[in-house]
Amino acid sequence: EAGVAQSPRYKIIEKRQSVAFWCNPISGHATLYWYQQILGQGPKLLIQFQNNGVVDDSQLPKDRFSAERLKGVDSTLKIQPAKLEDSAVYLCASSGLEGPRFGNTIYFGEGSWLTVV
Amino acid sequence: GQQLNQSPQSMFIQEGEDVSMNCTSSSIFNTWLWYKQEPGEGPVLLIALYKAGELTSNGRLTAQFGITRKDSFLNISASIPSDVGIYFCAGQNYGGSQGNLIFGKGTKLSVKP
Repeated sequence: EAGVAQSPRYKIIEKRQSVAFWCNPISGHATLYWYQQILGQGPKLLIQFQNNGVVDDSQLPKDRFSAERLKGVDSTLKIQPAKLEDSAVYLCASSGLEGPRFGNTIYFGEGSWLTVV
Repeated sequence: GQQLNQSPQSMFIQEGEDVSMNCTSSSIFNTWLWYKQEPGEGPVLLIALYKAGELTSNGRLTAQFGITRKDSFLNISASIPSDVGIYFCAGQNYGGSQGNLIFGKGTKLSVKP
């Protein structure tokens, strides 16, 4: 079974430029997450989708970050304009019910590594 | 908001030694998970715990879900060089459309051959 796919893997941009990251979750997974992981820290949730609806975007800096999952499958996360402090790994994750024993196990992609200079 | 305290922050051990790390929370979780992250990769799930008091093993890894539902520990026995990486605990409250993970800051493990 294919895992969570993300692209690009690496991106370097100048501050005030824009960038977009793409994610394709595991087939059949209804829930999709975007996490931000700053160096030396654990991942922090930015936004959670259930199918094509937003469940939680309380920690998304909406003045510069946006995300969409129009058809309830793949998703795009955009940053515009980027700031130096946006340098981080952007992790996409997905989950789907695997039975009552397992709850909603979350599987992560390899991440998109952003450096803002 | 919910926060997790993970310790130790880093460990440098000799190959063959056992390792123990733990995580505590100010609030309860329904699920505790342990992930491992290697350089340039996303976190990979090692063990998931769904019931207070549960003790679960995965090869040389053993993890327990604390009775109070506010803590968990992970043990690695007979460490090997490929155990190197950052280990994250995560708490999760699932149900309905929720399921977001709250992560600790990680324990960086180095293993000397």
